[in-house]
Amino acid sequence: DVKVTQSSRYLVKRTGEKVFLECVQDMDHENMFWYRQDPGLGLRLIYFSYDVKMKEKGDIPEGYSVSREKKERFSLILESASTNQTSMYLCASSLLGRTGDYGYTFGSGTRLTVV
Amino acid sequence: DQQVKQNSPSLSVQEGRISILNCDYTNSMFDYFLWYKKYPAEGPTFLISISSIKDKNEDGRFTVFLNKSAKHLSLHIVPSQPGDSAVYFCAATSGTYKYIFGTGTRLKVLA
Repeated sequence: DVKVTQSSRYLVKRTGEKVFLECVQDMDHENMFWYRQDPGLGLRLIYFSYDVKMKEKGDIPEGYSVSREKKERFSLILESASTNQTSMYLCASSLLGRTGDYGYTFGSGTRLTVV
Repeated sequence: DQQVKQNSPSLSVQEGRISILNCDYTNSMFDYFLWYKKYPAEGPTFLISISSIKDKNEDGRFTVFLNKSAKHLSLHIVPSQPGDSAVYFCAATSGTYKYIFGTGTRLKVLA
């Protein structure tokens, strides 16, 4: 089974803190993605990476950065957390090119609350 | 610009009846579609897919229908069960590794 593991299920951080969300996949997938899920807005792409050290902005990259130093690990960084970044964050991975029948494999999500 | 739309944010259905979840898209280049199911505090999981060369794909109680001329797909669940209560997302791609997701429909199956 492909596994995408997000390091924290729940996080509470203070406004202005630097926050790191970690994601690890164990199936040698080239692509990795960070989404946030908000009610009524669905899944919105923050950043994605198709190779080590490669990254591309998604639809809502403002206030975020990412790091991919190893193929299996993709980190999302909130440079200075704000209350509007309170959300469910989902990491996903997939093979390069067409993803076949299954699309992405998602992690279980990190519920981040910024107070 | 929302390329993939799920216009019903929520749906309630009696156990045993049919659930129909709808999804519309605007990009005629989309050629592969998926449905994901998401329980609270969990990541979305793959449910069923369909290629644009087909108009129907069936997997047990789940059937996805694609109407390319209307740019519309639907997910039918028959019979609906309480365990089907979740948020359902449709997603589409145009031949790349990047999927566009809809906003989701929360299905509640009433026992």
